[in-house]
Amino acid sequence: GENVEQHPSTLSVQEGDSAVIKCTYSDSASNYFPWYKQELGKRPQLIIDIRSNVGEKKDQRIAVTLNKTAKHFSLHITETQPEDSAVYFCAASGSYQLTFGKGTKLSVIP
Amino acid sequence: EPEVTQTPSHQVTQMGQEVILRCVPISNHLYFYWYRQILGQKVEFLVSFYNNEISEKSEIFDDQFSVERPDGSNFTLKIRSTKLEDSAMYFCASRYRTSSGADTQYFGPGTRLTVL
Repeated sequence: GENVEQHPSTLSVQEGDSAVIKCTYSDSASNYFPWYKQELGKRPQLIIDIRSNVGEKKDQRIAVTLNKTAKHFSLHITETQPEDSAVYFCAASGSYQLTFGKGTKLSVIP
Repeated sequence: EPEVTQTPSHQVTQMGQEVILRCVPISNHLYFYWYRQILGQKVEFLVSFYNNEISEKSEIFDDQFSVERPDGSNFTLKIRSTKLEDSAMYFCASRYRTSSGADTQYFGPGTRLTVL
């Protein structure tokens, strides 16, 4: 089955700096790659997603890139703000289920 | 904006007891899921459900687990005889389109299950 690796597990950045989180996946049949933000005790919230026919997608301060050949995808957050502090999960899907990475705890220091 | 809802928000039970976790997916969605998240760990897939039957299940989803869509709106997860290691947050999710994989899953707020 699919295996998703996510790095780093923790990330601290100064407010205003950029943050990058990287994921790799194993199943070349995966074709959908969402990113979820989870605040403590809350549900995972979709922040951006990318499909395998696209190499990059941007939504304001958030962007995702996908390299199908290398089987990796990354989340980029620019101009980070304290409210960006949360756990971020990448996921991959080629069938019905989502396979999640282990998460990155992002701390934005004011 | 429509949301997935779940009840109860927190369930405490004794080991060996049966629990039923309830979910109301978004009304026009066709695929339904259960995931669990042990405290501090990643979200893990349990089962997917489409057209009134299970479409995929993980190794976690053993004979102690079952799912049901008893009416047009509810989607339930039953654990027949709970174990201590079943303690986790259980998330329901739903998705709209029938195409395989490439559509957003929307998560409910979760039910925290504590097994004593």
